[in-house]
Amino acid sequence: RKEVEQDPGPFNVPEGATVAFNCTYSNSASQSFFWYRQDCRKEPKLLMSVYSSGNEDGRFTAQLNRASQYISLLIRDSKLSDSATYLCVGTNAGNMLTFGGGTRLMVKP
Amino acid sequence: DTEVTQTPKHLVMGMTNKKSLKCEQHMGHRAMYWYKQKAKKPPELMFVYSYEKLSINESVPSRFSPECPNSSLLNLHLHALQPEDSALYLCASSQVRHGSYEQYFGPGTRLTVT
Repeated sequence: RKEVEQDPGPFNVPEGATVAFNCTYSNSASQSFFWYRQDCRKEPKLLMSVYSSGNEDGRFTAQLNRASQYISLLIRDSKLSDSATYLCVGTNAGNMLTFGGGTRLMVKP
Repeated sequence: DTEVTQTPKHLVMGMTNKKSLKCEQHMGHRAMYWYKQKAKKPPELMFVYSYEKLSINESVPSRFSPECPNSSLLNLHLHALQPEDSALYLCASSQVRHGSYEQYFGPGTRLTVT
């Protein structure tokens, strides 16, 4: 079983839509979670850290559910520029980052 | 400033060549990382340096040799690579070597081995 699992998508949504991604993690001791965004042939860029209380940054909201061991990312009012792969990241037993396979989002006009 | 720089951007090398990838950060971070990323896959950790000492080697073949000359610089020396080593090589840094600290990635070196 992979340590962090995501639906690879693609999620095809119209501009202005709200889209949500979930990912699940297997290491119940994992303390830290992040969402990264990666554009085609570019490096991953940190989108947001995920805190136990949840956090919001503009149109993006991240939630952590420890009981069910999943993390979510909600994007409101999708823009064309949101098209990218979104990587869910947790930590493994060695406290190193462990990446999910990524979820591809395509926002269409 | 959360900038990590990498050179070169692109590299084509033959299987008998020796080349080096370079990474630099000026954020005062004390942990630096090398990752390998193949197309449509997530980054895979190769090496971790903490306070300029190698702390993790994820069973990487010896044809990849990391070096950390000082706290700002990280090199990856390449020798006798195979075509399957073609990938995007990403450098990252974080404040310290602990999963609770965000990692910041450089733009990567796209390596092609012919």
